[in-house]
Amino acid sequence: GPKVLQIPSHQIIDMGQMVTLNCDPVSNHLYFYWYKQILGQQMEFLVNFYNGKVMEKSKLFKDQFSVERPDGSYFTLKIQPTALEDSAVYFCASSPRDRGGSDYTFGSGTRLLVI
Amino acid sequence: GQQVQQSPTSLVLQEGENAELQCNFSTSLNSMQWFYQRPGGSLISVFYNPSGTKQSGRLTSTTVIKERRSSLHISSSQITDSGTYLCAMDANSGTYQRFGTGTKLQVVP
Repeated sequence: GPKVLQIPSHQIIDMGQMVTLNCDPVSNHLYFYWYKQILGQQMEFLVNFYNGKVMEKSKLFKDQFSVERPDGSYFTLKIQPTALEDSAVYFCASSPRDRGGSDYTFGSGTRLLVI
Repeated sequence: GQQVQQSPTSLVLQEGENAELQCNFSTSLNSMQWFYQRPGGSLISVFYNPSGTKQSGRLTSTTVIKERRSSLHISSSQITDSGTYLCAMDANSGTYQRFGTGTKLQVVP
């Protein structure tokens, strides 16, 4: 079936540096999401995005985080500057409609390690 | 705030046994979804079930809004069912999804 691709699969970065996580969503999907999962812990919603705008964001979506999808290319999550507590797996998801649905599709995650 | 509680936290089944996974939430519900998370991480949507009962093969999901709970029933379990099952809900419009802590299922021969 259709897939969400996340690039890179792994990233190691020095604390304080900027990192950009890339997501290539399913082509006809309109809603995009980022989630954060620290190893062994709960999946946590970060943000959702539609029509070029952030629709909702959680408390985890700090001021250092930003998202965009310029000209229908990758949907990106940028962290600037990074902190040690940003180490986690970041999952991107997309769906054709709001509030999920059976065609809600996740990527395989980007494993980010901040050192 | 919204709380999503899953039970059990872990479960070991003999192949062929049935399992019932529970998800309870503390607020009124707008949507409810079950996901399967493979060992290694990626998630697959199993059911989108804001209310009522849905079945797909050996899996059945029942959401009872008044009782603020949803269940996932796995019948005739197989080794390939092993992994973590997550439920996620959001309350009425304007709030974001909350995930449960997951049920880690292991099916053994």
